[in-house]
Amino acid sequence: DAGVIQSPRHEVTEMGQEVTLRCKPISGHNSLFWYRQTMMRGLELLIYFNNNVPIDDSGMPEDRFSAKMPNASFSTLKIQPSEPRDSAVYFCASGWDTEAFFGQGTRLTVV
Amino acid sequence: GQQLNQSPQSMFIQEGEDVSMNCTSSSIFNTWLWYKQDPGEGPVLLIALYKAGELTSNGRLTAQFGITRKDSFLNISASIPSDVGIYFCAGQLTGGYQKVTFGIGTKLQVIP
Repeated sequence: DAGVIQSPRHEVTEMGQEVTLRCKPISGHNSLFWYRQTMMRGLELLIYFNNNVPIDDSGMPEDRFSAKMPNASFSTLKIQPSEPRDSAVYFCASGWDTEAFFGQGTRLTVV
Repeated sequence: GQQLNQSPQSMFIQEGEDVSMNCTSSSIFNTWLWYKQDPGEGPVLLIALYKAGELTSNGRLTAQFGITRKDSFLNISASIPSDVGIYFCAGQLTGGYQKVTFGIGTKLQVIP
């Protein structure tokens, strides 16, 4: 099993640009999570999908953030427009109700 | 919401030494989880604890679920260079994995 696959691994973009992060969960998992990791705040849950349906998006910081899961094998997290304070490592994790496995993350830098 | 205090936030130790880190919570949890994050990677689950007082080992790692259900510790014995990384505790009261709260992490450096 290849594990959770995220792309890109690194992204550098200018303030105001649109950024799209991608995730391929592990096959057979019914839950998908997007997290943001920063030095100051640690790991924060942004949004949780169950069976491709967004269940809890209370962690999404602003309307600039949106996430989709069009099918069981793909999810995106989009930031539009991006701001320097969005710089962080973004993790996708997939699993079941009681366990999740993390991808390698996307390190986003907004300049 | 629930808050986790993880300590120490960082530590330097000599290879071969034992390490201890802990987490305390402002409220009770039903599950405690310990993760390790290697540089440039995502967190990987090391140990899961499901019952107050439970003591569980995974190789050189030992973790305990505190009796009060508000704390947990992780010990690493005879540290080796590959133990370097960030260790996270995480707690869950009820509900699914989306209810897991993560600590801020303990950054461990091992000096050969």
